[in-house]
Amino acid sequence: GAGVSQTPSNKVTEKGKYVELRCDPISGHTALYWYRQSLGQGPEFLIYFQGTGAADDSGLPNDRFFAVRPEGSVSTLKIQRTERGDSAVYLCASSPSVGGGQETQYFGPGTRLLVL
Amino acid sequence: GQSLEQPSEVTAVEGAIVQINCTYQTSGFYGLSWYQQHDGGAPTFLSYNALDGLEETGRFSSFLSRSDSYGYLLLQELQMKDSASYFCVLNRDDKIIFGKGTRLHILP
Repeated sequence: GAGVSQTPSNKVTEKGKYVELRCDPISGHTALYWYRQSLGQGPEFLIYFQGTGAADDSGLPNDRFFAVRPEGSVSTLKIQRTERGDSAVYLCASSPSVGGGQETQYFGPGTRLLVL
Repeated sequence: GQSLEQPSEVTAVEGAIVQINCTYQTSGFYGLSWYQQHDGGAPTFLSYNALDGLEETGRFSSFLSRSDSYGYLLLQELQMKDSASYFCVLNRDDKIIFGKGTRLHILP
């Protein structure tokens, strides 16, 4: 597709469950970012990949959160033992090459996660 | 640490000009970006300042002064579709930091 896509668009789960959120970046973009956005707040940086490797994962809130990008394209954000405080919109963005925020980031529509 | 401050809300009249300010504290960064986000939508890139001075892109302009730790986004000829949240963003080598956003209300 032409833009960044994310699936599912909405996810409702119960406290304690495991969830996976998927991001398909723009074809050819080597840098990929995950953010979390709560209502009325700006996106909060979680992790960024340069190719297959996590160049910076300092934004992941704790060890329940993990992300992979095994082939340097699609990425999956995994959340274990979900808590109600994990409820937010999870945004994915990609950029062409350099990464580190020096280039325009193209955002996907987000996955709205609700933990009951 | 690093932080960004911007007003939570600004109101302006259709056809007018509005300036959204952003002050920051950080030890070093590549540049300052601005993103627009409509309710329920994804952030979209507006402008980026790597150097001090003014960058103009159509009706939108952005300014950066590193010596003053200050930047702003200027929107001209406001249209109702400009009603959205606007985020200033610090572009660092190790992290991208979004401000909390300024909600722009436009009155007819």
